[in-house]
Amino acid sequence: GDSVTQMEGPVTLSEEAFLTINCTYTATGYPSLFWYVQYPGEGLQLLLKATKADDKGSNKGFEATYRKETTSFHLEKGSVQVSDSAVYFCALRNYGGSQGNLIFGKGTKLSVKP
Amino acid sequence: NAGVTQTPKFRVLKTGQSMTLLCAQDMNHEYMYWYRQDPGMGLRLIHYSVGEGTTAKGEVPDGYNVSRLKKQNFLLGLESAAPSQTSVYFCASSPMGQNTGELFFGEGSRLTVL
Repeated sequence: GDSVTQMEGPVTLSEEAFLTINCTYTATGYPSLFWYVQYPGEGLQLLLKATKADDKGSNKGFEATYRKETTSFHLEKGSVQVSDSAVYFCALRNYGGSQGNLIFGKGTKLSVKP
Repeated sequence: NAGVTQTPKFRVLKTGQSMTLLCAQDMNHEYMYWYRQDPGMGLRLIHYSVGEGTTAKGEVPDGYNVSRLKKQNFLLGLESAAPSQTSVYFCASSPMGQNTGELFFGEGSRLTVL
């Protein structure tokens, strides 16, 4: 079945460091890909998305490119801030399988130190 | 603008007790979902609904029941709580036919079963 694998955390960075969180997926057909973010004590919220190959999603300085050839959707940010400390979830939605439900990775906790 | 509201936010139960979590959304969304979040496991889908009066099983449905009698409400019931059901529960909703895949999440309900 469809699945998402993302790098295990926790990830600890200093402010202004470069961030990469790896995400790869397994799915039939052409899924849509997402990054969700969960700030402490809150629910998840959509950070960015890409719905077809080579699309780049971006928001709040974060970017991710849908790479079908490597089945990847890595999250990047050039300069992290303390306020970026959160748990990041990679997810896919495949209308050709999994009944169109979102499938999440296990999450990567990011801590940014001043 | 309330969005998705979950009640209660915290609850402690004894093994064998029953309870119901209520999810309410004011966005007129067709689809609603219940997830559980456990450390190192990410989010796992318990049950979902694609419209009023309909429900379906997700990845981990055992021990839970749901009802969607009104479009805006999605109830999650535990008939006989077990310690393995200690978790944080998230409700989410999304519009019908929206292929961008964005889910709107509540803030979560933390349940402890002793």
